[in-house]
Amino acid sequence: NAGVTQTPKFRILKIGQSMTLQCAQDMNHNYMYWYRQDPGMGLKLIYYSVGAGITDKGEVPNGYNVSRSTTEDFPLRLELAAPSQTSVYFCASSEIRVGGYNEQFFGPGTRLTVL
Amino acid sequence: DAKTTQPNSMESNEEEPVHLPCNHSTISGTDYIHWYRQLPSQGPEYVIHGLTSNVNNRMASLAIAEDRKSSTLILHRATLRDAAVYYCILRDEVATSGTYKYIFGTGTRLKVLA
Repeated sequence: NAGVTQTPKFRILKIGQSMTLQCAQDMNHNYMYWYRQDPGMGLKLIYYSVGAGITDKGEVPNGYNVSRSTTEDFPLRLELAAPSQTSVYFCASSEIRVGGYNEQFFGPGTRLTVL
Repeated sequence: DAKTTQPNSMESNEEEPVHLPCNHSTISGTDYIHWYRQLPSQGPEYVIHGLTSNVNNRMASLAIAEDRKSSTLILHRATLRDAAVYYCILRDEVATSGTYKYIFGTGTRLKVLA
């Protein structure tokens, strides 16, 4: 299994440009997440999804959109890039387990710079 | 949101045990305590989790206080490869959907000295 894969690894955007960060998992997990990590900080949840067709906002959703048309894919869309969105973006996935414990598996991250 | 408090940084000598503390005074009765770590330039990875009893796995041990308001991650023999940021996390229930999400704090940066 490849686990959680993210593309691209690096990207530089100009202010106002848009892009989609791709995330895919091959573990048949129902739950998927998008986090951002600013320098020296912990991870902040942007959006999450509990299954195909179902998404919900996390702590910092403004400026982002997501969709979940399949179990495997969970793309993150930036419509109008701003310097405040310069960050490392991590995608993660997990199963639903009885009892509430669900280990998250993380991708390698996408480093985004907005100039 | 359920909150955790951890020291910003700790140091340890190689081959010695390391005890990483975490306070979670607002924990609810059904919250699991999770630990993840993030190696440099990588995504976080799972370390261990527990509810009430102490837990051991191949990576670490988790000691949970009797009142569950604090816990300690124990690395029995730190190696240079254990240098990472360690996150103590509680699950946060989303009341509207009955689902769960995890809130990461800033973690403890562990430095291992050769």
